[in-house]
Amino acid sequence: AQKITQTQPGMFVQEKEAVTLDCTYDTSDPSYGLFWYKQPSSGEMIFLIYQGSYDQQNATEGRYSLNFQKARKSANLVISASQLGDSAMYFCAMREAMNYGGSQGNLIFGKGTKLSVKP
Amino acid sequence: DAGVIQSPRHEVTEMGQEVTLRCKPISGHNSLFWYRQTMMRGLELLIYFNNNVPIDDSGMPEDRFSAKMPNASFSTLKIQPSEPRDSAVYFCASRWRAGTDTQYFGPGTRLTVL
Repeated sequence: AQKITQTQPGMFVQEKEAVTLDCTYDTSDPSYGLFWYKQPSSGEMIFLIYQGSYDQQNATEGRYSLNFQKARKSANLVISASQLGDSAMYFCAMREAMNYGGSQGNLIFGKGTKLSVKP
Repeated sequence: DAGVIQSPRHEVTEMGQEVTLRCKPISGHNSLFWYRQTMMRGLELLIYFNNNVPIDDSGMPEDRFSAKMPNASFSTLKIQPSEPRDSAVYFCASRWRAGTDTQYFGPGTRLTVL
């Protein structure tokens, strides 16, 4: 069963507007972490933001915020005031508890969403 | 601070040749991961190390692949012999195994096997 689902293969947003990238996850572990990474066309994987399952508040990092809805098992990334440089692939990832099922806290990645920012 | 360093950034080789990819993790990190990324399969974890010890190599596709971490600041991923289907981008990532366990990725090595 897919553990991380990103249902939007591609999205367009107008420059300076906000955009939400969807991510749903599946786990029975009460302790987990959720991550978002950005991969521009140059290829590197850039860490953006982290949300822990026990965190009371949604994570924010500059223009990035994570809309964490635990009951719905969703962890959507919100980018405010989009810039042309935000055009990239965005990956959602989950880390289950350390030593859970032998996973040792490895990351499970979604298939990604390609965001294109229009001028 | 220096991030994860990978070399070479690009590698073009012929089928049957040995390929060695190198990684220097972030200083102080105690876990290291090797991933492979292709259009068809996305990001796949190949192997990871904790404190230089291989913990899980179940993602290594076959015996042609091997990885070592002789010390805390260096790791290699070797493919021998290489095949065209090994063409992919290979990422190394490291983390400090505590707190958020955030993995930081290197720039990747784009491997093309002709």
